[in-house]
Amino acid sequence: EVQLVESGGGLVQPGGSLRLSCAASGFTFSRYWMSWVRQASGKGLEWVANINLDGSEKNYVDSVKGRFTISRDNARNSLYLQMNSPRAEDTAVYYCAKDNGPTGWIVWGQGTLVTVSS
Amino acid sequence: AVMTQSPLSLPVTLGQPASISCRSSQSLVHSDGNTYLTWFQQRPGQSPRRLVYKVSNRDSGVPDRFSGSGSGTDFTLKVSRVEAEDVGVYYCMQGTHWPHTFGQGTKLEIK
Repeated sequence: EVQLVESGGGLVQPGGSLRLSCAASGFTFSRYWMSWVRQASGKGLEWVANINLDGSEKNYVDSVKGRFTISRDNARNSLYLQMNSPRAEDTAVYYCAKDNGPTGWIVWGQGTLVTVSS
Repeated sequence: AVMTQSPLSLPVTLGQPASISCRSSQSLVHSDGNTYLTWFQQRPGQSPRRLVYKVSNRDSGVPDRFSGSGSGTDFTLKVSRVEAEDVGVYYCMQGTHWPHTFGQGTKLEIK
């Protein structure tokens, strides 16, 4: 069964740091681009970042550039999102998703909640 | 590209049709000739699920009561006969321009 399981969410202070993880199973992780997509409570969806097969290419939405870093470990079938200097507006459920390029994302995790608050 | 959906709330009687509109601020025709307009469904308490990609292609397991249509900047998702399991929020998304962007979502509920 194809599965993505996120972890690492929680409460973080503005200006702090948090690392999200996503464990992939049921497919050849190293053959796919991967993404993080977020959803603020009661709000819509926003793509955050994606990463290519070997981690050499990374893309970010403007609002997180310079603060968040996406990475992957193909040996561990894992995707990460390092969140530095988070802001209140970064509060959201963060989904890990298997990237299908311009047609979106077919496989999604269950999400992990990040709350940025003092 | 800014994606604008309407209506934002859609009360529908069971068994009746429903239609959701999605408009893009730019043409979604890619230089490769494809139009990358995707529809997602998010049921209450669940992760999003892709329903339709490249305007009108249904994903595996998606009931044929769901259909997508449109071109250029105007797109529509139709449900021929709404069932109880269709309750949720529907999002359009464009993958033609970078970054990929979503509409605000349309909440479909049973009247």
